[in-house]
Amino acid sequence: AQSVTQLDSQVPVFEEAPVELRCNYSSSVSVYLFWYVQYPNQGLQLLLKYLSGSTLVKGINGFEAEFNKSQTSFHLRKPSVHISDTAEYFCAVSDPGGSYIPTFGRGTSLIVHP
Amino acid sequence: GAGVSQTPSNKVTEKGKYVELRCDPISGHTALYWYRQSLGQGPEFLIYFQGTGAADDSGLPNDRFFAVRPEGSVSTLKIQRTERGDSAVYLCASSFGTGGAAEGYTFGSGTRLTVV
Repeated sequence: AQSVTQLDSQVPVFEEAPVELRCNYSSSVSVYLFWYVQYPNQGLQLLLKYLSGSTLVKGINGFEAEFNKSQTSFHLRKPSVHISDTAEYFCAVSDPGGSYIPTFGRGTSLIVHP
Repeated sequence: GAGVSQTPSNKVTEKGKYVELRCDPISGHTALYWYRQSLGQGPEFLIYFQGTGAADDSGLPNDRFFAVRPEGSVSTLKIQRTERGDSAVYLCASSFGTGGAAEGYTFGSGTRLTVV
C-alpha cells in the first residue's frame, strides 16, 4: 500500500514570501499525485494533480508542484503567498495499477502572516 | 446539485447510540468514497462504492461501521454503538467512473461527529 509523508506539520510564512510544502511518497512503479487544500470548516478542494507527462504541474491560485521520481517527492510551491492562502494542505497518492483510491498525508498547516 | 452535499453538518450523540450520516454526490458521479478525518490527521479511507455496490470496504475499522448506496446515488454511513473514539469529521467524495484520477475527487464539507 502507498503511504505519504508530509514532513512539516506547520509552515509559517510572511505575506508575499515564497513557500514550499514538502511531500514524499512510498515508491511504486507509477503513481498519481494530488495536492488538496482545506479551508476552515470546508471540504477538500483539488489544487493540482500529476497523472503523467510534464513533471511540473500548475494548479489553481498560483500553486505549482514538481514530480521527482528519483526522490519520490511532489513538493508544492508558490512564489508569493497571500493571507488568503492560510489553510491546511494535503498531499495524496493513488496507484493507477491498483485501486486508484487516494491515500492522504497528515497535512501541512500553512500560516501566512501580514 | 452543484457539489457534494453532506448532512448533517454537525452531529452530537451519546456513547452507545446509533447514527446515520448522509452523502448526496454530484449528479451522474458513479463513484463515491467515504473518509474519516480525525483532529490533526489527514483523511483516512473507509469505503468506496461503484454504483450501488461496495467495491472496497477495507478501510472500515470494525463491524460497527456500515454503508449503503441502494440506488447508486445517495449514500448513508451507519455507525452502531458509537464510541468516543468515533468522533471525527466524516468526509464524502464522488467522481466520474472508476478511480476518478483524471478529474480528482470532489469532496463535501463533511459531517462533524462528536460522541459524548
